[in-house]
This record gives sequence, C-alpha cells and structure tokens, in this order.
Amino acid sequence: GAGVSQSPRYKVAKRGQDVALRCDPISGHVSLFWYQQALGQGPEFLTYFQNEAQLDKSGLPSDRFFAERPEGSVSTLKIQRTQQEDSAVYLCASSLPSGGLDTQYFGPGTRLTVL
Amino acid sequence: KQEVTQIPAALSVPEGENLVLNCSFTDSAIYNLQWFRQDPGKGLTSLLLIQSSQREQTSGRLNASLDKSSGRSTLYIAASQPGDSATYLCAVRRNRGSTLGRLYFGRGTQLTVWP
Repeated sequence: GAGVSQSPRYKVAKRGQDVALRCDPISGHVSLFWYQQALGQGPEFLTYFQNEAQLDKSGLPSDRFFAERPEGSVSTLKIQRTQQEDSAVYLCASSLPSGGLDTQYFGPGTRLTVL
Repeated sequence: KQEVTQIPAALSVPEGENLVLNCSFTDSAIYNLQWFRQDPGKGLTSLLLIQSSQREQTSGRLNASLDKSSGRSTLYIAASQPGDSATYLCAVRRNRGSTLGRLYFGRGTQLTVWP
C-alpha cells in the first residue's frame, strides 16, 4: 500500500510569497501531524489533526502559518508572506489510532527554500 | 518542556564495528520512545518503539534499551554495515497533558560506516 506522500518535494519561494504544502496520509489514518525540520536539527512539532479537527496548533511559529484538513484526509500547510527563517523541510506524518499514540509514518517531506 | 539530547552528533566507523548511540530526555513522564532512521532526501523510518513499561526492544541487528527513571535510551547496532549510514533520531512522547501525540526529537546522530 501507498505510504504518506507530500507535494511538492521541493519549493523555492521569494521572500513575501505565499506557499501551500500538501500531505496525503495513509488511507484510513485518523491522526495527522506536521513537523518542521531546520538544517542540522531534529523535527519540531507544528500541529496535529484528529480527522478534520485541529486539536493542537501550539507549535505553529507565527500567525503566518495555517493548516487545514477539511475532509479528514488530505491536509494543507499554508505559509503566508514567507521569510528566510521559514526555510526548512516540512514533514507530515500519519497514524491510525486517535490520539496518535501509535507509530507515526512519515512522508518524504517538502524542502522549502525562501530566497 | 521536554528536551531530548543525542550523543554523539556524528560518528564515523569502519564496517563491522558494534555501535552505541545515546539519547537522553529531561522529563521522565513519557508514554513511549522511538528510534528513527533518516536518509538524505527521505522521510523518517521507524526502527524501534519502546513503551514506557518496557526495558528494551530488538529488531535484527538493532537493540534499543530504555531507562525511564534516569531519562536515557541507548541504540545498539551490531556488526555495522555501509548501508547503516544515515542519521538516527530519538523521539519521545509525553504521557500527560494536551500534547499526548506529538513527538519530541533530538538533533540526531549522523552515522557513516565505511567499507
């Protein structure tokens, strides 16, 4: 079966542009997570969905970051007015049970470069 | 706040050596601990998951131990091979509060195994 997929794999944006990153979780997975991984760092939590409900967005670094999962499947992470410090790999993960307490399966990530 | 530290940051060894990667965490109130492998340009692959009530888990040449009271975990790799070259990440989940599902990651250990 297909794993978690993310698109685009690479994105170059000029400072100030808006970007949208897509995540397709494993079919049937209830929990979905977004993480941000800066160069040389471990992933940092951004936000968590259980079905379509965004239960935790405490990791979003600013109000320029917005995530949605309207039908409880595909999720989009949007970054408005991108800044150079937003350059990172954005990872999406999904897991089957609610609460996300089981193994999280990660996608390949989207590498965002802001010039 | 949960902080996760991994030592060493980088390791370069000849093929065949037995290796020990270390992970420490500041808050012992964890639900489980997970070791991941990350290859360049790819997402994270789960290697081993240890529940807080367990002491160790084994998979092939990999063995992970957990000492929750002291806030430490060790990943042991036996008879290392060049294909083991990757970044190894340690991550913990908390067992209370509103952030149950999120993972707290260390910065990783970058392993190079040369022939």
